[in-house]
Amino acid sequence: DAKTTQPPSMDCAEGRAANLPCNHSTISGNEYVYWYRQIHSQGPQYIIHGLKNNETNEMASLIITEDRKSSTLILPHATLRDTAVYYCIVWRGSEKLVFGKGTKLTVNP
Amino acid sequence: GAVVSQHPSWVICKSGTSVKIECRSLDFQATTMFWYRQFPKQSLMLMATSNEGSKATYEQGVEKDKFLINHASLTLSTLTVTSAHPEDSSFYICSGHQTTEAFFGQGTRLTVV
Repeated sequence: DAKTTQPPSMDCAEGRAANLPCNHSTISGNEYVYWYRQIHSQGPQYIIHGLKNNETNEMASLIITEDRKSSTLILPHATLRDTAVYYCIVWRGSEKLVFGKGTKLTVNP
Repeated sequence: GAVVSQHPSWVICKSGTSVKIECRSLDFQATTMFWYRQFPKQSLMLMATSNEGSKATYEQGVEKDKFLINHASLTLSTLTVTSAHPEDSSFYICSGHQTTEAFFGQGTRLTVV
């Protein structure tokens, strides 16, 4: 079973920031928080991951709370091409990945 | 990042025939690959873990005699759906791991008619 909880859907206006929350209250000390997204009929695409510090790359920022029980993925300027299902996953990196139901993000013009 | 190539991207087959799907890691060696299945509007469900040079490990409820997995080299894993039936129609996705990252293939849309 997935160890994360995400809202089933969210909407965002094009050009605005999209903030996607994720709860992972049972995360273990050696588990990372990973974010992937899946655009319709494609394989999942890696976005970002982190352990306890906030992370930023060219795609997004990841904010992890101090207690590591929740995190937020931030897409700073959402575009129509960011419409996808976003999966938050906790993972040690050496075993199978278990996907939850994810959040369907719809970016509206 | 690393690339995983999956082929074919889509296939239509007749009921009762077998279909092979290939998954290649193009620029890294994957001792372990994973196979997922995804039905419409659902999440990815892990089917099996493919280990190079040994038998695959199947998740509960997945028929190992129906979904044959071969991982003969560090860069190639194959999934064969044997005696396919319409209920096997789905989106099949493979992934390979490199250290702490997982890389996914483009997926294969299987339609059994």
